[in-house]
Amino acid sequence: KNEVEQSPQNLTAQEGEFITINCSYSVGISALHWLQQHPGGGIVSLFMLSSGKKKHGRLIATINIQEKHSSLHITASHPRDSAVYICAVLGGGADGLTFGKGTHLIIQP
Amino acid sequence: GAGVSQSPSNKVTEKGKDVELRCDPISGHTALYWYRQSLGQGLEFLIYFQGNSAPDKSGLPSDRFSAERTGGSVSTLTIQRTQQEDSAVYLCASSYRGGQPQHFGDGTRLSIL
Repeated sequence: KNEVEQSPQNLTAQEGEFITINCSYSVGISALHWLQQHPGGGIVSLFMLSSGKKKHGRLIATINIQEKHSSLHITASHPRDSAVYICAVLGGGADGLTFGKGTHLIIQP
Repeated sequence: GAGVSQSPSNKVTEKGKDVELRCDPISGHTALYWYRQSLGQGLEFLIYFQGNSAPDKSGLPSDRFSAERTGGSVSTLTIQRTQQEDSAVYLCASSYRGGQPQHFGDGTRLSIL
């Protein structure tokens, strides 16, 4: 079974700061997802990646397959980025996603 | 509809009752997943459907839980003899096929009294 660890668990930052959230996993995977969940809201898929780097607006996701590690970066953070960010992996024995515990991000104005 | 639709959005029931949760995936999506989000356990995988078959039921927590999918579309998750520990948000997701990006519904919040 894959073990997915995220850090930090909680992060509070000021508007405009560069944010990094890290994710590591224990077993080889076919893909890694970064998900966003606003308080009381649904889950939105931000990225699915299996190698390299993807960028969407102010969000950047990278993955190092050899190191079993991924990072999610937010540039020029804004209060509307406040949410829980969840790393999830596909593979390692299960057909469904295995999730990290999430990172609670608060961006203060 | 354009997204994954789940019903009901909220369900409150007494311990020992049976409940049925419904998921209507995005049209054309062959893969369907059920997940559960609870305070103590976070997000966890329950079951995966490819078409109407369920090749992976490994996440179902007990034999009180079952799921079916008919016509390659709508799926129902049934919990029999509900217990208080079943209280959680039950999420459904679908993708074009297995291994593709998953689209999540808004979930059903289940509360067992």
